[in-house]
Amino acid sequence: QKEVEQDPGPLSVPEGAIVSLNCTYSNSAFQYFMWYRQYSRKGPELLMYTYSSGNKEDGRFTAQVDKSSKYISLFIRDSQPSDSATYLCAMSGNQGAQKLVFGQGTRLTINP
Amino acid sequence: KAGVTQTPRYLIKTRGQQVTLSCSPISGHRSVSWYQQTPGQGLQFLFEYFSETQRNKGNFPGRFSGRQFSNSRSEMNVSTLELGDSALYLCASRQEYRGSETQYFGPGTRLLVL
Repeated sequence: QKEVEQDPGPLSVPEGAIVSLNCTYSNSAFQYFMWYRQYSRKGPELLMYTYSSGNKEDGRFTAQVDKSSKYISLFIRDSQPSDSATYLCAMSGNQGAQKLVFGQGTRLTINP
Repeated sequence: KAGVTQTPRYLIKTRGQQVTLSCSPISGHRSVSWYQQTPGQGLQFLFEYFSETQRNKGNFPGRFSGRQFSNSRSEMNVSTLELGDSALYLCASRQEYRGSETQYFGPGTRLLVL
């Protein structure tokens, strides 16, 4: 079983829809949770960063972390065609020694 | 501020050869990590360097090695290339201070082994 599980999709939704992306994990030592967006043939771009449990909002993006359930989510409101990309969750456990563990990535397409 | 840069962007090699990839981190970032991305395995951690020392290592064979220079630039080397080494190799840099756990990725080097 992988440490981080993420539904690879693909996920296709109409423009303007609310998108929900999720990851589950098994390692209770994870404390830092990130969402990256990766366009085709590009490197991952950091979208959201959350420490421990709770919610974080940035514009149309909201990240949620539920450590008791070992479950993290990314919500995208008013989705745009430019949001079409692969979304990767990532997490790490200790400060200082940075080894990110990634989910498989979810390929998202927003249809105009 | 310039982002993470990686060279070359694309590379074609044959089995048995070796390859060296280069990464220049964001100015002021002292931690550099390397990842391998493949369609089957996703993004996997290779190793991390800080102050010219390897601080963390993933589960890759010894054919994969790296180093970091005093200016924080890093190189990774893969010897005796295998077909399965074909992948996107990503470098990420990070500032090293409390509260900064985020890594910033470069565009990657796409390696094709024939």
